[in-house]
Amino acid sequence: AAGVIQSPRHLIKEKRETATLKCYPIPRHDTVYWYQQGPGQDPQFLISFYEKMQSDKGSIPDRFSAQQFSDYHSELNMSSLELGDSALYFCASSFQGRYEQYFGPGTRLTVT
Amino acid sequence: QKEVEQNSGPLSVPEGAIASLNCTYSDRVSQSFFWYRQYSGKSPELIMSIYSNGDKEDGRFTAQLNKASQYVSLLIRDSQPSDSATYLCAVNKGDTSGTYKYIFGTGTRLKVLA
Repeated sequence: AAGVIQSPRHLIKEKRETATLKCYPIPRHDTVYWYQQGPGQDPQFLISFYEKMQSDKGSIPDRFSAQQFSDYHSELNMSSLELGDSALYFCASSFQGRYEQYFGPGTRLTVT
Repeated sequence: QKEVEQNSGPLSVPEGAIASLNCTYSDRVSQSFFWYRQYSGKSPELIMSIYSNGDKEDGRFTAQLNKASQYVSLLIRDSQPSDSATYLCAVNKGDTSGTYKYIFGTGTRLKVLA
């Protein structure tokens, strides 16, 4: 079965640079969630989109923005990167009306 | 105090034994509950979802929910070394946005000893 696709899988950036993470949900899934997981921590909800509209917002820094496109893929844009942004970034998708979320393999971001 | 609490472990059980993982949550409006397995450096993998009080069984896994006590658990029967991972409890409350963000516990690290 098709799964959530994330790219890139690994990304190394320097402080103050920008990064763009991409997420392609499971086909026919219309809701996308972004989570950030620091080392040894649980995933923290950042932001979600339903039908290309932002539907909920969590602990996402103002330096980050995201959007969902007409094909339902989503991009997380991160600017003025800080060392503390180094983490695993997961995208999850679900079908509206269903509670289960399916996670992609994640993007490991390292800021040096 | 976190909204979703788990014992961080590690919980060590011998191969073939039953592993019991527990999770408590603080918000009574929580509607649905999930168990994810996460291997180190990998993404969370959905194991079970449960919405109603009682037990739900799927193969070697049984999820138990008690909304009155705000408690959800996961039992793993016939534990195998490959079950060694961190188990994340996730709760969602549902809201008017129509999406259902998860609140995760910190996870319990399970070690199954061969």
